[in-house]
Amino acid sequence: GENVEQHPSTLSVQEGDSAVIKCTYSDSASNYFPWYKQELGKRPQLIIDIRSNVGEKKDQRIAVTLNKTAKHFSLHITETQPEDSAVYFCAASRLAAGNKLTFGGGTRVLVKP
Amino acid sequence: EAGVVQSPRYKIIEKKQPVAFWCNPISGHNTLYWYLQNLGQGPELLIRYENEEAVDDSQLPKDRFSAERLKGVDSTLKIQPAELGDSAVYLCASSYQSGGADEQFFGPGTRLTVL
Repeated sequence: GENVEQHPSTLSVQEGDSAVIKCTYSDSASNYFPWYKQELGKRPQLIIDIRSNVGEKKDQRIAVTLNKTAKHFSLHITETQPEDSAVYFCAASRLAAGNKLTFGGGTRVLVKP
Repeated sequence: EAGVVQSPRYKIIEKKQPVAFWCNPISGHNTLYWYLQNLGQGPELLIRYENEEAVDDSQLPKDRFSAERLKGVDSTLKIQPAELGDSAVYLCASSYQSGGADEQFFGPGTRLTVL
C-alpha cells in the first residue's frame, strides 16, 4: 500500500518568512495530493491540492509543487502570518481507487510574531 | 450549508465497555469515511462507504469494531469492547464522488478516552 512520509515534524518561523514542508510517497500510481490544515482541536480542512498532471499550483500565499519522478511534493507558504500556525498534513491517493487518502505524519508550524 | 456533524464530541469510558459514534454527512454526499487519528499523527482510514456499501474496510479491526450506514446517509461506528489503545480522535468525512478529485470534508471528531 501507499506510504507517505512528511518532514519536518515541527517548524518554527518568524512572521513574514517562508515555510516549506516536504512529503514523499511510495506508490507511483498515486495521482492526487491534497494538503490539509488542522488548527488545535479543530477539524482538518483542505487548503490546496494538486493532480499528477500538474507540476505546480498556487493560491495566494500558498503553493504546492510536485515531482513525479522523485515521488515527492512540497507545500510552500510565503509571508507567513500568526494565523498560519497549525498542523499541516499532506496526503496521497489514487483517484481511480476511490480517492483513499494516505496521510503523512503532520508538521506543526509555529509562526512567531 | 451545514458541515459534517459528529456526536458525541467527547467520550470517556472504562476499558471493556462498548461505545458508539455517530456521523451525519453533508447532504448529498454519497461517500462517507471513518478515520482514526492518534495524538500527533495523521488520520488513518478505517472504513469507506459508497452509499450504503462498505467498499473498503481492510483497515477496520473487525474483532471489536463495526460500522453501518443504513439508508446511505448517517453512519455509526461501534467499538465493543473498548481497549486502552483505542483512545484517539475518530473523524468522519464525506464527499461527493464523481470520479475526480472530490474534496473530503471532515467533521469535528469524537475524542475517545478509555480508562
